Amino acid sequence: QKEVEQNSGPLSVPEGAIASLNCTYSDRGSQSFFWYRQYSGKSPELIMSIYSNGDKEDGRFTAQLNKASQYVSLLIRDSQPSDSATYLCAVNKGGSQGNLIFGKGTKLSVKP
Amino acid sequence: DAGVIQSPRHEVTEMGQEVTLRCKPISGHNSLFWYRQTMMRGLELLIYFNNNVPIDDSGMPEDRFSAKMPNASFSTLKIQPSEPRDSAVYFCASSPPDSPRGPQHFGDGTRLSIL
Repeated sequence: QKEVEQNSGPLSVPEGAIASLNCTYSDRGSQSFFWYRQYSGKSPELIMSIYSNGDKEDGRFTAQLNKASQYVSLLIRDSQPSDSATYLCAVNKGGSQGNLIFGKGTKLSVKP
Repeated sequence: DAGVIQSPRHEVTEMGQEVTLRCKPISGHNSLFWYRQTMMRGLELLIYFNNNVPIDDSGMPEDRFSAKMPNASFSTLKIQPSEPRDSAVYFCASSPPDSPRGPQHFGDGTRLSIL
């Protein structure tokens, strides 16, 4: 089993809809969870972090964490074409900052 | 403020040649990360420095790869000799002292092609 798994997509949603991106992880001891956005040909950009069970909202983004199910999700409300990118889930297993494992990402396409 | 600065942006060289990638982290950041990204393997950590000291180099593929951080404002990743399978985008990232557990700011990357 891969340490951090994401559906590669592409996930296509119409403009204005809610985009739901999902991520599962294998290590129950994981402590910190992150979502990065990466536009084609660009570098990853940190957009959300979450550390405890439940929801965390930041503007149109909501991160959800369920440690019992080893599941992290990112919801994007009122999706815009500018949200079209690859979204990388990353999990820190604890210990050093370098112990961050990335999923391969889900490609999101928001259609006007 | 300037972000993480990497050079060169693109590098094309023949196998067997030495390649040196450079990174200047954001001023005041004390953690520096080198990542490699390929379609097949995704984004992989190569090495992580904290306060200029290598903390975790378990991701460095083999002895052909080496990384240094002689001071807080400069790091290099060297590949010698280079091989075609080293072709990838190499990212440098940095984080401030009070950041959560992970890289916060990525450079624009170096796209490396080994022929």
